[in-house]
Parts: sequence; C-alpha cells; structure tokens
Amino acid sequence: DTAVSQTPKYLVTQMGNDKSIKCEQNLGHDTMYWYKQDSKKFLKIMFSYNNKELIINETVPNRFSPKSPDKAHLNLHINSLELGDSAVYFCASSQAGRGETQYFGPGTRLLVL
Amino acid sequence: RKEVEQDPGPFNVPEGATVAFNCTYSNSASQSFFWYRQDCRKEPKLLMSVYSSGNEDGRFTAQLNRASQYISLLIRDSKLSDSATYLCVVLTNFGNEKLTFGTGTRLTIIP
Repeated sequence: DTAVSQTPKYLVTQMGNDKSIKCEQNLGHDTMYWYKQDSKKFLKIMFSYNNKELIINETVPNRFSPKSPDKAHLNLHINSLELGDSAVYFCASSQAGRGETQYFGPGTRLLVL
Repeated sequence: RKEVEQDPGPFNVPEGATVAFNCTYSNSASQSFFWYRQDCRKEPKLLMSVYSSGNEDGRFTAQLNRASQYISLLIRDSKLSDSATYLCVVLTNFGNEKLTFGTGTRLTIIP
C-alpha cells in the first residue's frame, strides 16, 4: 500500500485555469507538507499543516490555497495558473516531533501551457 | 547566500570507487541534519540522519561539523544503484518542522 499518494500524477493545463492536486497519507502522521521542485530541481517548502492547522506558509502567492479536511489529507488548489507554476509538486507527511523523517508522495508533474 | 549549499556536480565515478559529498549551511541555529536521495523522476527518500558524532550505515558514512557548519557524506565501494541525486537537508526549527533542502549533488556510477 502506498504510504503517501497524490493525484493526478500528471497535469497539463492552459494558463488561467484553476486546478487541484490531492494528497492522502495512511501513515497516521499528523503533519503534512507541500513542496515545489522547479526545473532546476530545487525543492522548496510551500506549506505545512499540523492536525489541520496551517503551520508554515512560505510566502507563496495567494493563488495557491491548501485545504486540509482531516489530518490524513492535504489538498492544493491553484487559481489562475501561470507559466511559472510549471513544476513538480510533492506532498509529504511526518509525525510531529524532533526532526522526524518526512515521507514524500510520488509527485504531480504540472505543465502550464 | 543560500541556506544550504552543495556542489551540484555531476560526479561521474567508476564502480567500486569512494566518493564524498560536502554541504554547508548558513543558519547556526539549525538543529537536525539529513541526507536524502532522489532518483530520476522519483520522490526524495531519507538516506540517513547526520549526527555530530558521525554515523555509519553500511557503505555510507555521514559527518557533521557544527563549528564549521559543514556536513559530509562518504560512499565507499560505490555501486551502479548508487546513481542518484543526493540532497543535503537541514531542519532549523523543531516547532514547525521546516526542512531546507540543498540543490542536490548528482552522482553517476560508471560501470
């Protein structure tokens, strides 16, 4: 069974559209994250949630809105997509604590045309 | 200055060789340190944590020098399966569990 899963795996869309990426973890973790990996392979945190509460928001444009319906799910909605949003988006989860391992999902490859 | 800096490589190394990667971090308040591995078109996965006393896991040895804010990874007897990008990762704040990733060092093991 996949520990952290994301859907869709690939997403190709036009500029200006609104899209969502879903993430689910079955590890029983209480902290979840969204990361963006750009074309230069640089991986940067966007958001983290702990027990459905927003903990980290790394100056991401407000076109990006995370939503956590429960602690096993953290979805990412993106409004008015721009060319620069093209990247791989990774969801991750961990047990809150002192530097616990983060487990990553397989990634969603977003291409904005 | 980037928070976590690594030589991006690529490192092309013959099978069986020993290879070492280095990483520096800028925030002296950083509290935990890791090496993650990322295969091509895959997600990052934890390779090992890094402790001040140094730690070893099979062919892999990690070292941390807090005074110099420097982290290293040594791979002995390299295998073809070691080909990947190695990411140096730093945790700055236990409260929000924020990991900061280096840009990664790409390693290719040549048969």
